[in-house]
Amino acid sequence: DAGVTQSPTHLIKTRGQQVTLRCSPKSGHDTVSWYQQALGQGPQFIFQYYEEEERQRGNFPDRFSGHQFPNYSSELNVNALLLGDSALYLCASSLVGARRSNTEAFFGQGTRLTVV
Amino acid sequence: KQEVTQIPAALSVPEGENLVLNCSFTDSAIYNLQWFRQDPGKGLTSLLLIQSSQREQTSGRLNASLDKSSGRSTLYIAASQPGDSATYLCAVPRMDSSYKLIFGSGTRLLVRP
Repeated sequence: DAGVTQSPTHLIKTRGQQVTLRCSPKSGHDTVSWYQQALGQGPQFIFQYYEEEERQRGNFPDRFSGHQFPNYSSELNVNALLLGDSALYLCASSLVGARRSNTEAFFGQGTRLTVV
Repeated sequence: KQEVTQIPAALSVPEGENLVLNCSFTDSAIYNLQWFRQDPGKGLTSLLLIQSSQREQTSGRLNASLDKSSGRSTLYIAASQPGDSATYLCAVPRMDSSYKLIFGSGTRLLVRP
């Protein structure tokens, strides 16, 4: 089991550009969540995808969007990049399904995004 | 609004010492609490998950306790080793959300040889 995999591991972009980050969930998991982690802080929830739809969203602008594919993998897109978007972006997968109870979250190694 | 606090923010101990990391949360209506480890610049590794009905969980040298009524959890590390040096994060999911985790800012642990 490869666990949660993210690509790329590092990325450097210029202000105003757009970026796409990718995540493959742990085998058997159906739900993917994305988090942003600034240096020295805990991760902040961006949004969650289940059954190819955005189910929950945190306090992030519409510049942040996502997608989930039929194989449960997911993409995070950020448009019009700002210097403040520089952070570690983490993907977490879990097996939640339609239930509202919670199970253990497994995280990927993250993508380090630097905006210059 | 759920808020999670971790104290201390940083901790330095000599190898072999037993230590306790603290996590507090403001809303006791939680499904579970999860402890993670994060090495510098890396992702999160799940250490322990405690369901709301449980009082504690153990994995090797790690023991996590949960007291919902007081809004507190502790992570006990026995016989610390330099390889335990990392940032430890606790997180709780919101009850009105299937899986929005609320994280503390973490405790940065250094175990000196």
